[in-house]
Amino acid sequence: ETGVTQTPRHLVMGMTNKKSLKCEQHLGHNAMYWYKQSAKKPLELMFVYSLEERVENNSVPSRFSPECPNSSHLFLHLHTLQPEDSALYLCASSQGIPGWINEQYFGPGTRLTVT
Amino acid sequence: LAKTTQPISMDSYEGQEVNITCSHNNIATNDYITWYQQFPSQGPRFIIQGYKTKVTNEVASLFIPADRKSSTLSLPRVSLSDTAVYYCLVGDGWNNDMRFGAGTRLTVKP
Repeated sequence: ETGVTQTPRHLVMGMTNKKSLKCEQHLGHNAMYWYKQSAKKPLELMFVYSLEERVENNSVPSRFSPECPNSSHLFLHLHTLQPEDSALYLCASSQGIPGWINEQYFGPGTRLTVT
Repeated sequence: LAKTTQPISMDSYEGQEVNITCSHNNIATNDYITWYQQFPSQGPRFIIQGYKTKVTNEVASLFIPADRKSSTLSLPRVSLSDTAVYYCLVGDGWNNDMRFGAGTRLTVKP
């Protein structure tokens, strides 16, 4: 247990569906991250939030929409996804200024399959 | 953007010491070196971080030469449960410029 939880753990959705991934951290951190990990590919940083404000968006398609209502919760809203979006989606949090000097704590991930 | 290069895979046997080297020739003055471990279908887990010389914790040691153009993660007496992917990251943490590479897939055999 890292103190970061993600739900659901597994999700199968059609290309016309709308779904949301949820992440919650119980560590008192003030920065949160979304990553995508496809099979046989490196982790890709998607979004970074610091103090509930988005500080980075790595050219992610608009079919992925993040939301950070408070420092403990992070959502990733999904709509009209493509099969190539099937991947493991990981949430992480860290303390202090967003970055990697501060150790990132990762959740277990959501395994997403787009059919 | 500091780029890192690691071996794609390594094999070892239980009880051996494993050293994984990472090259980062364009490391900047303010950059730190961080290593993560990832098991299948789990998120990465922080192992160790350093700036120069040697850092040791209960899990591993990190050796960084004076020129800082490379670093070596040392895992003492590995066990089967150390089979995982190990990532080396370099950055200063201020510009979100640290990126995960392909990592090194370590397989520990009995």
